[in-house]
Amino acid sequence: KNQVEQSPQSLIILEGKNCTLQCNYTVSPFSNLRWYKQDTGRGPVSLTIMTFSENTKSNGRYTATLDADTKQSSLHITASQLSDSASYICVVSEGGGFKTIFGAGTRLFVKA
Amino acid sequence: EPEVTQTPSHQVTQMGQEVILRCVPISNHLYFYWYRQILGQKVEFLVSFYNNEISEKSEIFDDQFSVERPDGSNFTLKIRSTKLEDSAMYFCASSEISRDRVLAKNIQYFGAGTRLSVL
Repeated sequence: KNQVEQSPQSLIILEGKNCTLQCNYTVSPFSNLRWYKQDTGRGPVSLTIMTFSENTKSNGRYTATLDADTKQSSLHITASQLSDSASYICVVSEGGGFKTIFGAGTRLFVKA
Repeated sequence: EPEVTQTPSHQVTQMGQEVILRCVPISNHLYFYWYRQILGQKVEFLVSFYNNEISEKSEIFDDQFSVERPDGSNFTLKIRSTKLEDSAMYFCASSEISRDRVLAKNIQYFGAGTRLSVL
């Protein structure tokens, strides 16, 4: 069964610190992998998108990596800010790229 | 900046009633999607839509659901006979995509969602 698993479930860090969120997937055939940020009560906002041939993608303080062989991805957040507090969701698309499987997300809390 | 807009922001309905959730995708986008998120759970894909027909749908998207693009701007999700378990946040999204799907710039832009409460 196609699945996307994320860890940790939640994370508390101090402002200014870095953190890394993990995503493992078993989706096949693989199309692309995306990381989203979702604030409470809002729609997800795209951070990065990677196809199987890409192993890293950056967007400001966010850097995503992808290992298509081990089916793992990570999202690294540098110099965290209070506004980074949100859920970070790993999403994998299968087949033609339009059917998507969402992870449950990592809830990040950044404290002053 | 262009955005996906959804109306209403909150819909309350009685079990068994029909509801229509409305979305206005970004104007030059070609692909449209509906997702739902039950409170406290992960986002779930419902359906994708392109060229006036469904391109993909999930197991959740059964005969109770339908989608339509009634004009050049709106994209709707209809739930025919709502059940208590349909209570969720429903998100619409749209994307533009290159011809080469392998190198797809398939960034989906999400609306703020409609919270559906079935009583």
